[in-house]
Amino acid sequence: KQEVTQIPAALSVPEGENLVLNCSFTDSAIYNLQWFRQDPGKGLTSLLLIQSSQREQTSGRLNASLDKSSGRSTLYIAASQPGDSATYLCAVGGGGSNYKLTFGKGTLLTVNP
Amino acid sequence: DTGVSQDPRHKITKRGQNVTFRCDPISEHNRLYWYRQTLGQGPEFLTYFQNEAQLEKSRLLSDRFSAERPKGSFSTLEIQRTEQGDSAMYLCASIPGSNTGELFFGEGSRLTVL
Repeated sequence: KQEVTQIPAALSVPEGENLVLNCSFTDSAIYNLQWFRQDPGKGLTSLLLIQSSQREQTSGRLNASLDKSSGRSTLYIAASQPGDSATYLCAVGGGGSNYKLTFGKGTLLTVNP
Repeated sequence: DTGVSQDPRHKITKRGQNVTFRCDPISEHNRLYWYRQTLGQGPEFLTYFQNEAQLEKSRLLSDRFSAERPKGSFSTLEIQRTEQGDSAMYLCASIPGSNTGELFFGEGSRLTVL
């Protein structure tokens, strides 16, 4: 059974700092990995999608890497802003054709002005 | 493309009542997923449809839960005889037929059972 772990559970940083969120998964037979952002009481917004054959994806100040063999992914946020404050969720897609995602519990990020 | 739409956004009910949530996926997305998220946890898979066929159900989906997608467009998730443990955010997601596996989620329906 796939298990996804996110470290740290919570992170508080001053504005402008670069930061890294970590995600690990137990079964390397994944189809893809997706990072989401969730604001309090809201749904999930997709940030980055990495296919199993890819090593990284970038979007603006965000960069996500994937090391499938070691079961790890990182989300790098450059020059953090207070508007980045949210919960960040990592999810891995299984190897079958169902595209079902297994989620971690998330990292709660607070960026202080 | 108006995104995945869920209704209602918040439902408060008394224990033992039935509730129904609706999800309208992105147009022409033929796969639709339901997830449940409790406080402080990541979303957990409940079930998914390809067109009108329900292809997989999680063991989390007890016999009090039923999901339908009768015409392969919108879907409903009904919970009968609600319990306090059913309090959660119910999230719907959709995905097109041929794709990268990227799921697009709605804003969720929050259920509070008193």
